[in-house]
Amino acid sequence: EVVLTQSPDTLSLSPGESATLFCRASPPVTSNYLAWYQFKPGQAPRLLVYAATSRAFEIPDRFSGSGSGTSFSLTISRVEPEDFGVFYCQQYEGTPRTFGQGTRVE
Amino acid sequence: QAQLVESGGGVVQPGGSLRLSCRVPSFMSQYSVFHWVRQAPGKGLEWLAVISFDGKKASSADSVKGRFTISRDSSKNTVDLQMTRLSADDTAIYSCAKSSTMATSPFDHWGQGTLVTVSS
Repeated sequence: EVVLTQSPDTLSLSPGESATLFCRASPPVTSNYLAWYQFKPGQAPRLLVYAATSRAFEIPDRFSGSGSGTSFSLTISRVEPEDFGVFYCQQYEGTPRTFGQGTRVE
Repeated sequence: QAQLVESGGGVVQPGGSLRLSCRVPSFMSQYSVFHWVRQAPGKGLEWLAVISFDGKKASSADSVKGRFTISRDSSKNTVDLQMTRLSADDTAIYSCAKSSTMATSPFDHWGQGTLVTVSS
């Protein structure tokens, strides 16, 4: 089973600031089948990035994913008020699909 | 954006059973794969089970194998999760999600989830 470890646990930001969230995989996700999701209370979760670097449909370009193998990241440039929530990485290379423990952006 | 809508959650006694349903918009049914995922209070996300668009392929996590069964009802456009022998550890928000393939594709749609509480 692939274990994903996210850091930091919490990020405190003001609108307009930028932030990078990290996701480490063990063993490596060699296919780079890694996604990032945003969870907000009372809403369905939203897919932000898939295949490590591809932005999902209608996701603003201030969200960008990078990385490969064991180390992945999600950068949010110029944070806007609606960008707050909990962000999870997920690998979908193997079964079971596993998630990181989440990073709260507040 | 069209969403998946879960129902069937509630309070159930330990040892009991519960059936959850995920209503799927008609346009989403064909050639889609559906999953159930849960998040226990204060814990992370756990993938539970997956089923193909035609219901012919399905698999589940080792942690729930033998207790939880995923199925599709094409006539009702739902994906169901039958849960048996429930314990307090099964208390969680249960969500359904859609991907394009059984593997190698992310969850591109999610529901908001339904709360299951196992308590006497």
